[in-house]
Amino acid sequence: QQQVKQSPQSLIVQKGGISIINCAYENTAFDYFPWYQQFPGKGPALLIAIRPDVSEKKEGRFTISFNKSAKQFSLHIMDSQPGDSATYFCAASNDYKLSFGAGTTVTVRA
Amino acid sequence: NAGVMQNPRHLVRRRGQEARLRCSPVKGHSHVYWYRQLPEEGLKFMVYLQKENIIDESGMPKERFSAEFPKEGPSILRIQQVVRGDSAAYFCASSLEQGTQPQHFGDGTRLSIL
Repeated sequence: QQQVKQSPQSLIVQKGGISIINCAYENTAFDYFPWYQQFPGKGPALLIAIRPDVSEKKEGRFTISFNKSAKQFSLHIMDSQPGDSATYFCAASNDYKLSFGAGTTVTVRA
Repeated sequence: NAGVMQNPRHLVRRRGQEARLRCSPVKGHSHVYWYRQLPEEGLKFMVYLQKENIIDESGMPKERFSAEFPKEGPSILRIQQVVRGDSAAYFCASSLEQGTQPQHFGDGTRLSIL
């Protein structure tokens, strides 16, 4: 069964706009929530990660918001750029085993 | 800057052949993980290995698939008697210690079965 559900499947945003990707999880034992960025033909690269003791983490234009009670977390990409066009995966873990969402393909139009 | 190295990048096999995928972890990392990615899907955990030990193979199909991480050399994911359904991208990741993140991923091996 899929332990992490991700939406939307794809989105298109204008340059300078905000991209928002949402994830929900079932397992309350999860204590590590990373986001990965993947370009075609490449492996996933860690973008930003959060642990449930904080509700928000920001690194540059990327922000994770975390809602422990709702078992949801989201990625916000501010001031989206064409170079941000990629597939984004949320994931969750409570040990070494990462459970990934199905991915969101983001297209940033110039 | 030696990250996780996987080879080959692309592998084509005919049904019934064997596929061997190699992974060299980040220097100094002794924990290796293999994941499989089917088209339009996220990555699925397959197996976790330390040097000379399989720690968790709960995501591996029961038959035809095996993995090893010898004392010397890369980790190997082996698929015997491949079938069309084995076509996927296989990614290897490594970490410095168990349970601590992040896991660093290689660029994967794209396996195609004719």
